[in-house]
This record gives sequence, C-alpha cells and structure tokens, in this order.
Amino acid sequence: GESVGLHLPTLSVQEGDNSIINCAYSNSASDYFIWYKQESGKGPQFIIDIRSNMDKRQGQRVTVLLNKTVKHLSLQIAATQPGDSAVYFCAESPAGYALNFGKGTSLLVTP
Amino acid sequence: DSGVTQTPKHLITATGQRVTLRCSPRSGDLSVYWYQQSLDQGLQFLIQYYNGEERAKGNILERFSAQQFPDLHSELNLSSLELGDSALYFCASSVEGSYEQYFGPGTRLTVT
Repeated sequence: GESVGLHLPTLSVQEGDNSIINCAYSNSASDYFIWYKQESGKGPQFIIDIRSNMDKRQGQRVTVLLNKTVKHLSLQIAATQPGDSAVYFCAESPAGYALNFGKGTSLLVTP
Repeated sequence: DSGVTQTPKHLITATGQRVTLRCSPRSGDLSVYWYQQSLDQGLQFLIQYYNGEERAKGNILERFSAQQFPDLHSELNLSSLELGDSALYFCASSVEGSYEQYFGPGTRLTVT
C-alpha cells in the first residue's frame, strides 16, 4: 500500500559535519511534505516543510530537497551540532491535513 | 514549549480497563489531531477534529473514540484495553488551513 519510509534507521555524524537524512514516499498524490524532529521524551517538533510544486526549500541550517521523479525527500543539516541529536521523521499529507509519518531515523552527533 | 498540553503524562492501567486522555490545543487552533506512537508501528494518525466536528479518521480502533468540546479541548477515550495498546499518545493542533501541526508532550500509556 501507500507508505512513507526511511532509508536508514540510524545515522552517526561528527560534530561540524553536514548530515543528510533520506526518505522515500510512494503516494504520488501527496501535495505536502514535512520534516519533524523528536528529542527523547518530547513530542515531534516541526523543522521544515515543502510543497510538491517545489524542489528545494531552505531554512536555518536545514534544507529540504524533493525529487518527485523518484519520490524521494531529503533533509540536509549543515554544521551538525550535538543538539541536533534526535529522531527525524518525514511525513506526507496524502489527503486533507492529517499526516502520514515514516518510521524515523535516529541521528547521533559525536564530538 | 509548543503550547499544546496533555494530561496525564503517564498512565498505568490493567487490561480490560478504560482510560481518558486529555489535550488542550494552542490558543486559537481549531484543529486537533491524535496520534499513536509505538515501537513497531511508528507514529500513526488516529483521528482529527475541527471546531468540534470529526474531520478525518485514520487507523483508529473501534474501541477508541474521541471528541472535541466547545472550549476546543479534546479527549481520547480508550476502552477494553489490551497489552498492545501500550504506546505514546500525542495530540497536535493547527490553525485552519495549515499543515503545520504543533505536538504536545504526549501521554505514555502502559497496559499491564
């Protein structure tokens, strides 16, 4: 069935390096994609979003890339910091405003 | 702090019991969403309410129900609890017409 999935369950990067978290989606009708960050013991926190009519969107230290041809979404974090350690979820909105979340990627930033 | 509050923070109960989880959305947000987060299923959408009316339904079991009150707070009722219902339950809210959802801290439910 339609689903949102993540390529890697865990990612370890060194402090200061750039991080790239990938996500594959299968619902070509999705109009909206969003990345959330979840720290231990907390609820998901919005990071950045992108609509299907865009290829790239930049925020503060984060960039989201959307490749509709291969149904791929990525989150790039520049100069990764220890505070970036968390689980990152991609989500899509196939219909209405409810979100369909992927399984999550755990990002570990090492000194 | 997202502005969304959830109570209780933790809940431990026995199989077969019924519990009620409560959520207060951000001030001004009319939409409330409920999600279940378990280790094997990840974050799953359960149900959405908008200004007191049910707007969308996801993978919500028949044993579960929700409502949104005139003051916009919402409650999720879980009945005939099973061990597999143990999970984190999150509430989120958003303004009308926005995909950006703000999540509460969650309620951790443990069914023994």
